[in-house]
Amino acid sequence: AQKVTQAQTEISVVEKEDVTLDCVYETRDTTYYLFWYKQPPSGELVFLIRRNSFDEQNEISGRYSWNFQKSTSSFNFTITASQVVDSAVYFCALSLYNFNKFYFGSGTKLNVKP
Amino acid sequence: GAGVSQTPSNKVTEKGKYVELRCDPISGHTALYWYRQSLGQGPEFLIYFQGTGAADDSGLPNDRFFAVRPEGSVSTLKIQRTERGDSAVYLCASSLDISYEQYFGPGTRLTVT
Repeated sequence: AQKVTQAQTEISVVEKEDVTLDCVYETRDTTYYLFWYKQPPSGELVFLIRRNSFDEQNEISGRYSWNFQKSTSSFNFTITASQVVDSAVYFCALSLYNFNKFYFGSGTKLNVKP
Repeated sequence: GAGVSQTPSNKVTEKGKYVELRCDPISGHTALYWYRQSLGQGPEFLIYFQGTGAADDSGLPNDRFFAVRPEGSVSTLKIQRTERGDSAVYLCASSLDISYEQYFGPGTRLTVT
């Protein structure tokens, strides 16, 4: 069975602080994909990144970076120099090779205060 | 271009009634997913369509839930004999094909009284 755990329910930081959102996943499949989505207060989920299980290279996109470690089954997301606009709920998700089904974590609510 | 749209945005119904929720995917997107999101939870997969066929409906909670996509574009999620536990936001997402990123709609908030 597949499972995604986001243990941090809510995090509050002050603007310009760095923050890391944790994601731990479970699967016995060797081919899978991991995702991060952002759900701002307006409600629509926005895709941020996808990684496949064969690519453990870290990725950086502007202030966002992702650390994928198969050894610990983790796919953590770091926001550097956070901004108020980063306030949202962030979801980590897992899909198997066929993309038929997606498993989402329960989300981490990030509050960035000015 | 236009994103994924869902109608209605809000639906209030009485227990036991039948409801239909509509999803208009992005034009040309062959993959379509339905999810249910309860308050404070992540989206829960319901069903996945590739074209007109349901490739995976293992997430439908019971036989009161049914979804169709007859022409491979618009999809309708149908719920019979609604129960209070069906209250949630129902999300639709589409992608160009499998393996491409999903674009989510704004959701339909269903309230069963």
